[in-house]
Amino acid sequence: DAGVTQSPTHLIKTRGQQVTLRCSPKSGHDTVSWYQQALGQGPQFIFQYYEEEERQRGNFPDRFSGHQFPNYSSELNVNALLLGDSALYLCASSLRGGNEQFFGPGTRLTVL
Amino acid sequence: DQQVKQNSPSLSVQEGRISILNCDYTNSMFDYFLWYKKYPAEGPTFLISISSIKDKNEDGRFTVFLNKSAKHLSLHIVPSQPGDSAVYFCAASAWGGGADGLTFGKGTHLIIQP
Repeated sequence: DAGVTQSPTHLIKTRGQQVTLRCSPKSGHDTVSWYQQALGQGPQFIFQYYEEEERQRGNFPDRFSGHQFPNYSSELNVNALLLGDSALYLCASSLRGGNEQFFGPGTRLTVL
Repeated sequence: DQQVKQNSPSLSVQEGRISILNCDYTNSMFDYFLWYKKYPAEGPTFLISISSIKDKNEDGRFTVFLNKSAKHLSLHIVPSQPGDSAVYFCAASAWGGGADGLTFGKGTHLIIQP
């Protein structure tokens, strides 16, 4: 049973560019959440998708957007990249109404 | 404004002894709390959780205590084992369950000494 998978593992971009990160949830899960973890910090909640719609959102600007597909996989898009967007981006999947989230290994984004 | 605080960046404990990790929160709307464990190059792994209607939850070597009046929770690991060396994150939810957007602390690096 595959857990949460994320691609790519690492990514290097320059300021002003756009990036797309991908996530496949654990088998049987229907909800995907995205988190940003800066160095030395805990993960920060970006948003959550369920039934292909954004259901909850943390304190992140509109440059951060997402999408969920009918097979429950998800993408995180970040436009107009800033140096401060350099972080580990974690995807977590869960069952709607469940009591835990399963995290993927993350995508390390470096913005130069 | 940090709503979930883990004030000890690191903690060193001898193998076989008890490890106690602490977490404080400020948001009264939080009603579900979780502990996650993270190894390098891996995503956080769920350990144990507690609802605000309880004050204690046990799962094997792990016990979480919740003191709502003090807005404080702690994770006890006994006995501590070398494989417990990792970063531990305290997380909270204001939606009654652990499947919704979580607010995390900065983490405590637990080191188990042989």
